[in-house]
Amino acid sequence: NAGVTQTPKFRVLKTGQSMTLLCAQDMNHEYMYWYRQDPGMGLRLIHYSVGEGTTAKGEVPDGYNVSRLKKQNFLLGLESAAPSQTSVYFCASKRQGSNYNEQFFGPGTRLTVL
Amino acid sequence: EDQVTQSPEALRLQEGESSSLNCSYTVSGLRGLFWYRQDPGKGPEFLFTLYSAGEEKEKERLKATLTKKESFLHITAPKPEDSATYLCAPRDGSTDKLIFGTGTRLQVFP
Repeated sequence: NAGVTQTPKFRVLKTGQSMTLLCAQDMNHEYMYWYRQDPGMGLRLIHYSVGEGTTAKGEVPDGYNVSRLKKQNFLLGLESAAPSQTSVYFCASKRQGSNYNEQFFGPGTRLTVL
Repeated sequence: EDQVTQSPEALRLQEGESSSLNCSYTVSGLRGLFWYRQDPGKGPEFLFTLYSAGEEKEKERLKATLTKKESFLHITAPKPEDSATYLCAPRDGSTDKLIFGTGTRLQVFP
């Protein structure tokens, strides 16, 4: 099992450009999450999904959109990138049910917006 | 408002020198407190979940404990390979979200 994978690993954008980050998991997990990690701050939740076809806003959703067309994939889109979106982005997944509470994280995508 | 504070921010230890990391939290209706390890350039790796005050869990040189307001990660006789950033994340029971602290960066020198 590959677990949670993210593509790309690194990306540099210019202000105003758009891009999509892809997260894939092969553990058949229902729940998926997108976080961003910035220096001096804890991981912050951007958007999440509790199942195929459903998405919801997290703590810092502005400037981002997401889609969950397939259970194993969760896409994070930046329509018009801004320097404030320079960050490391992590995807995570979790099995549904109260006995399965830990989230499993991907390796991250480092995004720089110039 | 949910709050999580981890201390110290950074900790340098000699190999074999035991110590503890602290995670203080204020969270609505705690439903579990999670500890993760994060190596540079990688994603967080799950270590422990604690659910109730008094609970303890161990893994190799690490032991996590929980009270109503704090969690501690005790490191006994650490080795250089224990060097990493340790993150704590209580789960808010009203929102079901993890609230991450900023982490403690641990460096263990031979």
